Amino acid sequence: EDQVTQSPEALRLQEGESSSLNCSYTVSGLRGLFWYRQDPGKGPEFLFTLYSAGEEKEKERLKATLTKKESFLHITAPKPEDSATYLCAVQAGTYKYIFGTGTRLKVLA
Amino acid sequence: SQTIHQWPATLVQPVGSPLSLECTVEGTSNPNLYWYRQAAGRGLQLLFYSVGIGQISSEVPQNLSASRPQDRQFILSSKKLLLSDSGFYLCAWSGKGETQYFGPGTRLLVL
Repeated sequence: EDQVTQSPEALRLQEGESSSLNCSYTVSGLRGLFWYRQDPGKGPEFLFTLYSAGEEKEKERLKATLTKKESFLHITAPKPEDSATYLCAVQAGTYKYIFGTGTRLKVLA
Repeated sequence: SQTIHQWPATLVQPVGSPLSLECTVEGTSNPNLYWYRQAAGRGLQLLFYSVGIGQISSEVPQNLSASRPQDRQFILSSKKLLLSDSGFYLCAWSGKGETQYFGPGTRLLVL
């Protein structure tokens, strides 16, 4: 069964304290892995798409990496404005996307 | 650049009433369109997707239906709302690439 599991469910960091979020997936044929940021009451905002193991992408303080079984979202020196829920999704078919339940990140000043 | 709109932003409806949520996309042609529902503590659940005008595929049998009357318009409807229909409804689009882009969402509360 296609599945996406994100950990931890919630994470509290001090400003400047780097950490990583994990997205483990099981899918028969990965067509893409996606990271989104979601603020409370808003739609998910696209961050990254990764297609193959070994691929890495960066944007400001965020860096996403991909292996054959999991993806990591590394947050370097986070700021309070990085507080949000981060969602991971995999594309398991042409129109089939499986989403994880997200990691709620809180960065304290 | 592409923009996706949803309205209304918030809706409170009584049980048994009808529903119509609208989604429109600007800046792209022939997008794939999707309706998702997001419940607290759960991942996004795909409800419907459409690859063209009048073409609707349903992922989960339920009290809802979808229509695509125009290329960049996607509508989610119900004839009679249930309490279980409450949630956060998200519309998304994708082009020829696989990445989905989401709208701002509609918060629906059925009382």
